[in-house]
Amino acid sequence: EVQLVESGGGLVKPGGSLRLSCAASGFTFSSYTMNWVRQAPGKGLEWVSSISSSSSGIYYRDSVKGRFTISRDNAKNSVYLQLNGLTVEDTAVYYCTRDGVFKRLDYWGQGTLVTVSS
Amino acid sequence: EIVLTQSPGTLSMSPGERATLSCRASRSLNSNYLTWYQQKPGQAPRLLIYSTSNRDTGVPDRFIGSGSGTDFTLTISRLEPEDFAVYYCLHYGGSPLFTFGPGTKLDIK
Repeated sequence: EVQLVESGGGLVKPGGSLRLSCAASGFTFSSYTMNWVRQAPGKGLEWVSSISSSSSGIYYRDSVKGRFTISRDNAKNSVYLQLNGLTVEDTAVYYCTRDGVFKRLDYWGQGTLVTVSS
Repeated sequence: EIVLTQSPGTLSMSPGERATLSCRASRSLNSNYLTWYQQKPGQAPRLLIYSTSNRDTGVPDRFIGSGSGTDFTLTISRLEPEDFAVYYCLHYGGSPLFTFGPGTKLDIK
């Protein structure tokens, strides 16, 4: 059974940092591109970042470029998102998702909540 | 940048009725990369339809995806109580890499 389990969310002040982790199991992690998608409270879904299976391809949405860093450790079956320079607009549930065939985000974790507030 | 518009924003219907949800794009899309999700409160999104018209494993056949070019549709042929949720379309390609529509909330009349 495919499982994605996020951790690392919490309350942080504006300008602060957090590191989110996503532990994967039930599939050959090193073969899949992984993504982070976020959802602000009461709002829609927003893609944040993507990392290819070998980390050779890394992409970000414009609003997080230069502040967020995605990485992965295939030996640990984990993907990470380092969040720096956080603003209140980054407050959201952050989901880890697997990039399946035809670029469908086929499996999602339960999400981890990041709250940026003074 | 591709913009996806979903309509209506909210759809109020009764169980047993047929629901039609629209996803329109600002330019022509690759239909291989058009996906639909269902999200219930407090839950992660659930993949329903990929490549415009292919149901994911375990998705009931009352969920039907169709469309091409700039116009895509998710039809729920006969609403069940568990179908009342928010539905999102998603496209891969361009900048940003993935674009979600704003969602359609399907609620019980």
